[in-house]
Amino acid sequence: ETGVTQSPTHLIKTRGQQVTLRCSSQSGHNTVSWYQQALGQGPQFIFQYYREEENGRGNFPPRFSGLQFPNYSSELNVNALELDDSALYLCASSLKGEGARYEQYFGPGTRLTVT
Amino acid sequence: AQKVTQAQTEISVVEKEDVTLDCVYETRDTTYYLFWYKQPPSGELVFLIRRNSFDEQNEISGRYSWNFQKSTSSFNFTITASQVVDSAVYFCALSLYGQNFVFGPGTRLSVLP
Repeated sequence: ETGVTQSPTHLIKTRGQQVTLRCSSQSGHNTVSWYQQALGQGPQFIFQYYREEENGRGNFPPRFSGLQFPNYSSELNVNALELDDSALYLCASSLKGEGARYEQYFGPGTRLTVT
Repeated sequence: AQKVTQAQTEISVVEKEDVTLDCVYETRDTTYYLFWYKQPPSGELVFLIRRNSFDEQNEISGRYSWNFQKSTSSFNFTITASQVVDSAVYFCALSLYGQNFVFGPGTRLSVLP
């Protein structure tokens, strides 16, 4: 078990709505990354937060946004939900800076269904 | 841009057989990190190994071993004497300094009793 937690576990939303997913990073880690994993595919990088700022972004539209808090926890917000946003959303924590090892430790994910 | 290819979509083996999962990567950077993750049916990605581009030494951990060859841009993963509990989807990933992990499409391994 990694110590990375995510909430909620499952979520059902309607197209056009907004959703907020939450993640608590592993103790000692200062960086959080978010991924979208569609069924049968590998995780796709959404963005990464380090020191409460976005530190890299994948090919996702601006309606995907995030926050990182002083305790290193993070939120992923998705506005104007589309059917294609249905996926498993994974949060990963890691350590950046002195002592960094670069591997990421993943939480159990939030399964989002958009109807 | 970075890219990871896992040509084997699905593999089925009988318990106790050895199995190798292939991973081929593309990057123009000279410093990069390679990873393998396991995703069991529960869905949580489990970290297995990290290798940096300057360390081509192969690694063995119990029944698991990894073969990193820069000349062919490959980072293959072998499970010796496979067990039913090894059944999962395995992902190879590439990262530059811990940012923007690029994952391959995954290989689904089924180990039959």
